[in-house]
Amino acid sequence: RKEVEQDPGPFNVPEGATVAFNCTYSNSASQSFFWYRQDCRKEPKLLMSVYSSGNEDGRFTAQLNRASQYISLLIRDSKLSDSATYLCVVNPVGAGGSYIPTFGRGTSLIVHP
Amino acid sequence: DTGVSQNPRHKITKRGQNVTFRCDPISEHNRLYWYRQTLGQGPEFLTYFQNEAQLEKSRLLSDRFSAERPKGSFSTLEIQRTEQGDSAMYLCASSSGTSGGMYTQYFGPGTRLTVL
Repeated sequence: RKEVEQDPGPFNVPEGATVAFNCTYSNSASQSFFWYRQDCRKEPKLLMSVYSSGNEDGRFTAQLNRASQYISLLIRDSKLSDSATYLCVVNPVGAGGSYIPTFGRGTSLIVHP
Repeated sequence: DTGVSQNPRHKITKRGQNVTFRCDPISEHNRLYWYRQTLGQGPEFLTYFQNEAQLEKSRLLSDRFSAERPKGSFSTLEIQRTEQGDSAMYLCASSSGTSGGMYTQYFGPGTRLTVL
């Protein structure tokens, strides 16, 4: 089993739709979680951190479920500009006690008119 | 521009040659990461520095790869005796943080390597 798994998609949704992605992780000792957005042939950019209590930023909501070992990202009222690949990042502790960022392969979202 | 910069942006080389990439992090960031990304995959962790100390190195990283951050500022990633399988985007990221935990990483634009 991969350390971090995401459904690659693509998720094809109309403008205005609500869409949700999940990301499962295998290391129960993981401490920090993030969602990044990556546009085609560009570098990843932070979308939001994921806190234990869940957090919301405008149309975006991130949640963490430690018991089932997954994080989720909900996008409401999808815009054309939301079309991108969404990467989750999980940080298990490495052998040296430091944190090793582990990315999922990303979920592709296509929002159409 | 005060973001993370990487040079060169593109590199084409022949199999067997050595290549070196440079990353200049955001100036106040003490952590620096190198990743490799291929099409359809997420960034794959290669190595990580806190200041000049290399704290982690991926077990998947062959001995042909080496990275340095001599003064705790810029970093270089060298690949010796390149192979076609090394063709990928090499991303650098930096973050702040002096204690445990993970901080927001800011990525550079990457260096795209093509090995012929």
